[in-house]
Amino acid sequence: DAGVIQSPRHEVTEMGQEVTLRCKPISGHDYLFWYRQTMMRGLELLIYFNNNVPIDDSGMPEDRFSAKMPNASFSTLKIQPSEPRDSAVYFCASSFGARTGKAPEDTQYFGPGTRLTVL
Amino acid sequence: AQTVTQSQPEMSVQEAETVTLSCTYDTSESDYYLFWYKQPPSRQMILVIRQEAYKQQNATENRFSVNFQKAAKSFSLKISDSQLGDAAMYFCAYRSSRSGGGADGLTFGKGTHLIIQP
Repeated sequence: DAGVIQSPRHEVTEMGQEVTLRCKPISGHDYLFWYRQTMMRGLELLIYFNNNVPIDDSGMPEDRFSAKMPNASFSTLKIQPSEPRDSAVYFCASSFGARTGKAPEDTQYFGPGTRLTVL
Repeated sequence: AQTVTQSQPEMSVQEAETVTLSCTYDTSESDYYLFWYKQPPSRQMILVIRQEAYKQQNATENRFSVNFQKAAKSFSLKISDSQLGDAAMYFCAYRSSRSGGGADGLTFGKGTHLIIQP
């Protein structure tokens, strides 16, 4: 089975430009998560969805960040306008939900990440 | 809020020997999940092992095992017969067993960089 798929793998853009990161979760998973990894802050949760509905976006740093999940097989994370401090690796992960009876519950599987560089 | 602490920024071990990576966490919950993830230079996050807090038996996956001490809130990872391919960053992570309101996300430690000496 295919794992979590993210695109692009690398993105280099200039400050002020719009950036869109894409994710395809593992088929059948109920949850989709977006994380960001930086040297200073480590791995931090930005937002997550359950059955395509955003549940918690308290980790989204600013209004410049937005995420959507129009269907069960696709999600986007958009940054507009981008800034140099947004440079990071962005991971998408998916999982079954807790207590759904689907094993392994609560285990999140990560995509390969998108390395974003904003100049 | 839960916190996860990995007190060893870097560890080094000789190939074929055993190494233990430490992780402690802070929570007021009684039911939760703990994980170890491996991140090699490719930066892919790879699940190593998973532990459910209500299970007293320590999880084991081939050369990887954990020492889960619930009362002490400790969750260490033991790697036996270390191999060159084990070299990576290792992250300890916590997930609540509750659902909703942000509880479903993983809380990560800062990571331990494991070096394997040939």
